[in-house]
Amino acid sequence: DIVMTQSPDSLAVSLGERATINCKSSHSVLYRSNSKNYLAWYQQKPGQPPKLLIYWASTRESGVPDRFSGSGSGTDFTLTISSLQAEDVAVYYCHQYYSTPLTFGQGTKLEIK
Amino acid sequence: EVQLLESGGGLVQPGGSLRLSCAASGFTFSSSAMSWVRQAPGKGLEWVSTITRSAGSTYYADSVKGRFTISRDDSGNTLFLQMNSLRADDTAVYYCAKRYFDWLSHADHWGRGTLVIVSS
Repeated sequence: DIVMTQSPDSLAVSLGERATINCKSSHSVLYRSNSKNYLAWYQQKPGQPPKLLIYWASTRESGVPDRFSGSGSGTDFTLTISSLQAEDVAVYYCHQYYSTPLTFGQGTKLEIK
Repeated sequence: EVQLLESGGGLVQPGGSLRLSCAASGFTFSSSAMSWVRQAPGKGLEWVSTITRSAGSTYYADSVKGRFTISRDDSGNTLFLQMNSLRADDTAVYYCAKRYFDWLSHADHWGRGTLVIVSS
């Protein structure tokens, strides 16, 4: 199984500042045949289902603000929020869809400092 | 607009069974693989099962293999999860998720979930 490990578990950032969440996979999620990283990022607010932010590690989903960006390849990935807004308070999950069992990181809780 | 509406959750005794449904609309259901993902109270996300387009193949987490069965009705645009031999640790919100295309693709839309409580 591919284990996804996020860091930190929780993060407090001031409004307008940058927030960075890391995700490390125990096995590469890069398919060399198509050069795609099978890695997505989700945002989940209390009482709501997860919302897709980023897929293929760095492609922003339609409608997602451009302050959200994803980077990385292979086993190391980062979600960056360039300028934190109050509505970004949530738990963020990375997710690999490279192979079954599909797995998620444990989540990173983002709060306002 | 893509809509996924789960139903069928509730309180069930250990060892009991439950069948979840997910009514899909707003997209060509038969063209998308579909998944169930669950979230225990206060915990993270756990993938449960995926079914490919045309139900060609099904995949399960080890924790539910042999007890849960995923299926789909493309004519009725509905996804199902038959859950047997339920245990306390199956207690969770169960989300239906549409995968972008095939079974190894990101989940781009999620339902609001249905709560399953396994307790005596």
